[in-house]
Amino acid sequence: AAGVIQSPRHLIKEKRETATLKCYPIPRHDTVYWYQQGPGQDPQFLISFYEKMQSDKGSIPDRFSAQQFSDYHSELNMSSLELGDSALYFCASSSLEEETQYFGPGTRLLVL
Amino acid sequence: DQQVKQNSPSLSVQEGRISILNCDYTNSMFDYFLWYKKYPAEGPTFLISISSIKDKNEDGRFTVFLNKSAKHLSLHIVPSQPGDSAVYFCAASNADKLIFGTGTRLQVFP
Repeated sequence: AAGVIQSPRHLIKEKRETATLKCYPIPRHDTVYWYQQGPGQDPQFLISFYEKMQSDKGSIPDRFSAQQFSDYHSELNMSSLELGDSALYFCASSSLEEETQYFGPGTRLLVL
Repeated sequence: DQQVKQNSPSLSVQEGRISILNCDYTNSMFDYFLWYKKYPAEGPTFLISISSIKDKNEDGRFTVFLNKSAKHLSLHIVPSQPGDSAVYFCAASNADKLIFGTGTRLQVFP
């Protein structure tokens, strides 16, 4: 069965650079979520989209923005990167019929 | 303020025995709970869930119990297998988002 796809899997950036992470949800899933997991921490909710509209917002810095496109894929844009942004970024998707969120493999971002 | 807590950071169990992972939460508004299994450098893999209207849900070797009055849920794995060794996160659904616990690292030894 198709799963959530995230790209890139690994990304190295320098401070003050920008990064764009992409997420392709499971087919027919209309809701996308972004989570950030720092070293030794639990995943923290950043933001979610339902039918291309932002549906909820968590602890997402103002330097980050995200959107969901007409094909339901989502992009997380991160600007003015800081060392503390180094983390695993997970995308998850779900459908209205099922509350369960299914996660992608994550993007490991390293900011030097 | 950790709304979902897993007080045992690690658990070691012999193969074939039962593994019991515990999770406590503070927000009585949570209405849906999930368990995820996570390997290093991979995304959380969904295991089992339970709605707040139930007190038990079973799927093969995995059973989740929910005690709403105690705001406590547990995951039972029986029999435990070496391939179950991973970090297990419980999560509670709050509107759209999931609130994760801090995880319990399960080690199943032969």
